[in-house]
Amino acid sequence: LAKTTQPISMDSYEGQEVNITCSHNNIATNDYITWYQQFPSQGPRFIIQGYKTKVTNEVASLFIPADRKSSTLSLPRVSLSDTAVYYCLVGGHGSSNTGKLIFGQGTTLQVKP
Amino acid sequence: GAGVSQSPSNKVTEKGKDVELRCDPISGHTALYWYRQSLGQGLEFLIYFQGNSAPDKSGLPSDRFSAERTGGSVSTLTIQRTQQEDSAVYLCASSLPGGARAGELFFGEGSRLTVL
Repeated sequence: LAKTTQPISMDSYEGQEVNITCSHNNIATNDYITWYQQFPSQGPRFIIQGYKTKVTNEVASLFIPADRKSSTLSLPRVSLSDTAVYYCLVGGHGSSNTGKLIFGQGTTLQVKP
Repeated sequence: GAGVSQSPSNKVTEKGKDVELRCDPISGHTALYWYRQSLGQGLEFLIYFQGNSAPDKSGLPSDRFSAERTGGSVSTLTIQRTQQEDSAVYLCASSLPGGARAGELFFGEGSRLTVL
C-alpha cells in the first residue's frame, strides 16, 4: 500500500497561490493520485485526480513528475473559503478492484485575510 | 437520491449498547468504504466492500465491530457493546470499480456517534 506524507499545516493569504506537496514513494503502477478537501463537520469532497504529468480543472491543478513519487496540488488565488483540510490519496489500482484506500494525515490550510 | 446517504446523522447511546449505522451508496457504485474520524483527527480506514464481499477487514478496531453489505447496495456497520472511545464520526463512501475513476470517492455526511 502506498503511504502518503504531507505537511501537517500551511498558512496563506487571500489571493495567493498555494502549493501542497504529497510524497508517495512506493506508488504502484496502476495507482491514481486523488486529492480531497474537507470542511469541518462534512465528508471529504473530491477535488482532482491524475495519473501523470499535469491535470487542471476549474478549481485546481495537479502536477505529477515523471517518477510519480510525489504530487503537488496547486490552488490559484485562494480565498478564506479555501480554509480546509486537504488529503492526498493514492490507490485505486486494478481493473475491477479499487483496493484498500488509506488516507494520510492531511494538510490543514489556513487562509488569512 | 443522487449522493451517498447515511443514517442516523446523529446517535447518542449509552455505554454497552449496540448501534447500527447505515449507508446507502450511489446507484451503480460497487465499491463501498467505511472510515472513522475522531475529533480533530484524520480518516481511519475500517473496511471496504467490493460488491457484497469484504476483501480486507483488517481496519476494524475490534471484534465488537462488524459490517455487512447486501444486494451490492446498502451497508450496515454494527458496533456491539459500545465504549466511550467509539465516539466519532463514521463516514461512508462509494466509488465505481477500478480504473480511471477508482479512488474518486463520494462521501456521505457521516453519522456522528456519541457514547455516554
